[in-house]
Amino acid sequence: DVKVTQSSRYLVKRTGEKVFLECVQDMDHENMFWYRQDPGLGLRLIYFSYDVKMKEKGDIPEGYSVSREKKERFSLILESASTNQTSMYLCASSLERATEAFFGQGTRLTVV
Amino acid sequence: GNSVTQMEGPVTLSEEAFLTINCTYTATGYPSLFWYVQYPGEGLQLLLKATKADDKGSNKGFEATYRKETTSFHLEKGSVQVSDSAVYFCALADYKLSFGAGTTVTVRA
Repeated sequence: DVKVTQSSRYLVKRTGEKVFLECVQDMDHENMFWYRQDPGLGLRLIYFSYDVKMKEKGDIPEGYSVSREKKERFSLILESASTNQTSMYLCASSLERATEAFFGQGTRLTVV
Repeated sequence: GNSVTQMEGPVTLSEEAFLTINCTYTATGYPSLFWYVQYPGEGLQLLLKATKADDKGSNKGFEATYRKETTSFHLEKGSVQVSDSAVYFCALADYKLSFGAGTTVTVRA
């Protein structure tokens, strides 16, 4: 089975802190994604990556950056956390474009 | 750009009722279509998929048919159970993977 592991289930950070959310997949998938999930808004794509060291902006990239130095790891970075970034963050991976994605358990981030 | 619009909830049903959740999409080209489900306290998991027009995806009694002429991928189940209570997401994948807003379904005993 594909496993997508996010480093933390719950995080509490202070406004202005730099925050790293880590995601690792174990199935040699090409594609990795970061979403945030908010009630009534569904999943919104923040960034995605189709290859090592490659990244593309999703629908809501403002305030975020990403890093993919190794194929299995995709990190989401909040350069200066703000309270409106309080959310559930979901990482996913897929083998190729247009194929099904596998999700991690999510990280619930609270910025105070 | 590509987008997915799905029926707003919440939806509340009695056991054994028929469930339909509408999903329509906008896309250039020929995307793959998916339904994902999120049970309370759990992560998203794939429910079913269809990769080309007229394909029917099915799983756990749920079905959806990829209709290119109406750009739709409606989810149906003939007889729901309490255990089907969850949030259901329609999704589209080609260049990227885009989701609808989700529909919360509650099934009462």
